[in-house]
Amino acid sequence: DAGVIQSPRHEVTEMGQEVTLRCKPISGHNSLFWYRQTMMRGLELLIYFNNNVPIDDSGMPEDRFSAKMPNASFSTLKIQPSEPRDSAVYFCASSSSGLDQFFGPGTRLTVL
Amino acid sequence: AQSVTQLGSHVSVSEGALVLLRCNYSSSVPPYLFWYVQYPNQGLQLLLKYTSAATLVKGINGFEAEFKKSETSFHLTKPSAHMSDAAEYFCAVLLGGGYNKLIFGAGTRLAVHP
Repeated sequence: DAGVIQSPRHEVTEMGQEVTLRCKPISGHNSLFWYRQTMMRGLELLIYFNNNVPIDDSGMPEDRFSAKMPNASFSTLKIQPSEPRDSAVYFCASSSSGLDQFFGPGTRLTVL
Repeated sequence: AQSVTQLGSHVSVSEGALVLLRCNYSSSVPPYLFWYVQYPNQGLQLLLKYTSAATLVKGINGFEAEFKKSETSFHLTKPSAHMSDAAEYFCAVLLGGGYNKLIFGAGTRLAVHP
């Protein structure tokens, strides 16, 4: 069984550039979560989709961040324009039960 | 509002010694509680969960946790540490009210010495 797939695994970009992170959830899972992990703030939930619909985006830090889930097998998290303080590891997780969340390997973003 | 507090950001044990990682929760309703493990450069992996069934929950890799309502605790234990247990461990509580949102603690980094 393939787990949650995230791409790219590493991204280095310059301030002001657009960044797009991608996630493919586990097949059959109907909930998808985007998290950000930093040393300062720990693990934060950015946005949560259920059946492709955004349910809670209260964790999205600013309008520079946007997320979409056009279908059950794909989601994107976009940052435009990116800033150095956006440097973090971004995780995608999916769930079918609403309880057990399965995490992807993460994307390490560095904004110079 | 639900929250969790992990006591001790770093814990160090010798190989073969007892592992005890502490988690206290705050919840206005019967909580669902979780422990996740994160190995270096990897995503989080579910170790075990409490969903109001048995208070002693057994998970993977020999870990277990006991839900104690009177102490509002859900501490993680393992009788004998192995070098491969070195990782970061996160306690989490599920936000209720129909939201499948996990609230994570700050994490405890476990080091295991030979």
